[in-house]
Amino acid sequence: NAGVMQNPRHLVRRRGQEARLRCSPMKGHSHVYWYRQLPEEGLKFMVYLQKENIIDESGMPKERFSAEFPKEGPSILRIQQVVRGDSAAYFCASSPSEVIEAFFGQGTRLTVV
Amino acid sequence: ELKVEQNPLFLSMQEGKNYTIYCNYSTTSDRLYWYRQDPGKSLESLFVLLSNGAVKQEGRLMASLDTKARLSTLHITAAVHDLSATYFCAVDSRSGGGADGLTFGKGTHLIIQP
Repeated sequence: NAGVMQNPRHLVRRRGQEARLRCSPMKGHSHVYWYRQLPEEGLKFMVYLQKENIIDESGMPKERFSAEFPKEGPSILRIQQVVRGDSAAYFCASSPSEVIEAFFGQGTRLTVV
Repeated sequence: ELKVEQNPLFLSMQEGKNYTIYCNYSTTSDRLYWYRQDPGKSLESLFVLLSNGAVKQEGRLMASLDTKARLSTLHITAAVHDLSATYFCAVDSRSGGGADGLTFGKGTHLIIQP
């Protein structure tokens, strides 16, 4: 059983471009969490999704950021019109239910130049 | 708003010594996690602590939880170089009205020198 798969592992975008980060949860996991980690900081919760539903997006910036977890395919975190401050590592985690520990992917390191 | 504070944030110690990392949190917790992160890597789950008085041990690491004091500790016994990493505690407080995700501390950067 493969772990949580994120791609790309590294992503470079120019200011103003769009960034799309993908997360394929572990098999049988229908709960996905996205976190952002700034350099030398802990992870900050962004959004929690179940299949086709956003459950909690309280940690996600209101503008430029969106997330989805369609019935088929990976979860996508989308950042429009990226700025330098968006440079960070973005981690997703998946679990089979909200009461079971989530497992983290390897992360996507976004660099905005 | 839930706050999670770790201390120390930086720790340099010699091999063979013992030390403790502290994690304080501000509201009721359902579960408390300890993670290890190596540079440029993902998070490795070390311990999940569910109830007051819980103690778990794995090798040279031991974690405990005091829910009344809202305090968890990660104790390192006879440190070895391979334990050099950043250690995070994280709190799940959703049943207390917190966010559905974990709230992390800033991490403790641990360097163990020969």
